[in-house]
Amino acid sequence: ETGVTQTPRHLVMGMTNKKSLKCEQHLGHNAMYWYKQSAKKPLELMFVYNFKEQTENNSVPSRFSPECPNSSHLFLHLHTLQPEDSALYLCASSQDLAGGTNEQFFGPGTRLTVL
Amino acid sequence: ILNVEQSPQSLHVQEGDSTNFTCSFPSSNFYALHWYRWETAKSPEALFVMTLNGDEKKKGRISATLNTKEGYSYLYIKGSQPEDSATYLCAFSSGGSYIPTFGRGTSLIVHP
Repeated sequence: ETGVTQTPRHLVMGMTNKKSLKCEQHLGHNAMYWYKQSAKKPLELMFVYNFKEQTENNSVPSRFSPECPNSSHLFLHLHTLQPEDSALYLCASSQDLAGGTNEQFFGPGTRLTVL
Repeated sequence: ILNVEQSPQSLHVQEGDSTNFTCSFPSSNFYALHWYRWETAKSPEALFVMTLNGDEKKKGRISATLNTKEGYSYLYIKGSQPEDSATYLCAFSSGGSYIPTFGRGTSLIVHP
């Protein structure tokens, strides 16, 4: 049990659908992250929130829209995705921003398939 | 873009073998290096965070060393067990960014 949960675990959607991924952490952390893991590629940072404020948007297309209503919850809203967006989407949290000694705690991920 | 390389990409060993793999990163402006272990269908879990040149960390049969001057870290597993089968990720942070850059990982499979 990592303390970071993600729902749903699996999602299949058409290119015209709108869906949302949810992440929740009960660790009292202040920073939350969305990562994308595509086959044979490293974990790719998408967004960072620190104290509910977005601090990083790693040139992510606007069809991905993050939302952080409080320090415990993070959403990724999806609309008009492309098949190449199919990937594992991981959420993580850390006490503060993770560059130094703060380890990141990861959720189990959402496996997204775009048809 | 920071270049973090891990080798080998995958490794098959027999139970009881000792093994090691490498994480290479830029040697300038080092801040921290993290190692994570990622078992299939589970979440990545932190193993070590290393910040000083010459750091050595140990957790059970797993240990890691760090050389910031030449830009590499080794992860060692002594007497591998099937439950060590996982992908091992390293993540490098430079002084210019608080966000770590991940390598592609080394996939370890330990055969009974």
